[in-house]
Amino acid sequence: DTGVSQDPRHKITKRGQNVTFRCDPISEHNRLYWYRQTLGQGPEFLTYFQNEAQLEKSRLLSDRFSAERPKGSFSTLEIQRTEQGDSAMYLCASSLGGTPMNTEAFFGQGTRLTVV
Amino acid sequence: GNSVTQMEGPVTLSEEAFLTINCTYTATGYPSLFWYVQYPGEGLQLLLKATKADDKGSNKGFEATYRKETTSFHLEKGSVQVSDSAVYFCALSVHQGSARQLTFGSGTQLTVLP
Repeated sequence: DTGVSQDPRHKITKRGQNVTFRCDPISEHNRLYWYRQTLGQGPEFLTYFQNEAQLEKSRLLSDRFSAERPKGSFSTLEIQRTEQGDSAMYLCASSLGGTPMNTEAFFGQGTRLTVV
Repeated sequence: GNSVTQMEGPVTLSEEAFLTINCTYTATGYPSLFWYVQYPGEGLQLLLKATKADDKGSNKGFEATYRKETTSFHLEKGSVQVSDSAVYFCALSVHQGSARQLTFGSGTQLTVLP
């Protein structure tokens, strides 16, 4: 399977704990995005990387959230001191970028986080 | 700011019925418009897109036309199949031609009955 993969698929954690999610984009894609989706809503943009550089961050990305893409390949999203409001599906997407023709964003299946 | 308003669901149709899912938007600048589909247990997939006014995106029998004057991008299909059952999301990006920083609608659940 050469699509976007996310790990884990499901995570249950206690309030106050830290969690980390991983995203492996399609190998030749230099752009990577994180989105959050709550039940009954569409995904909301969190942050965007071009190669290893984090170029955009939404104001939804509070100080407790941090994302990295250390070598321009896989990315991690960490949430510190989780709160019940963090419960959501976290989606990763990647795209080739470079020209308008190569702009389709391919999404992973997501990591579902439940904070109890 | 940017926003997308979608027809609320769920929508239930019989096989071979005509489908319309309404989508309107507000945006700063000149957005590109997208429809994404999420089949059960799968990730979001791009269904179709349009990058300028009067463009028609089409794929798998689905069509949507970028209407700048009405700020709309309604999704249509002439004859739906059971396999079209999914959640459909309208989205925009103000980065011309790009899928960067997509703003999504809340989604419309479609169920097609045999």
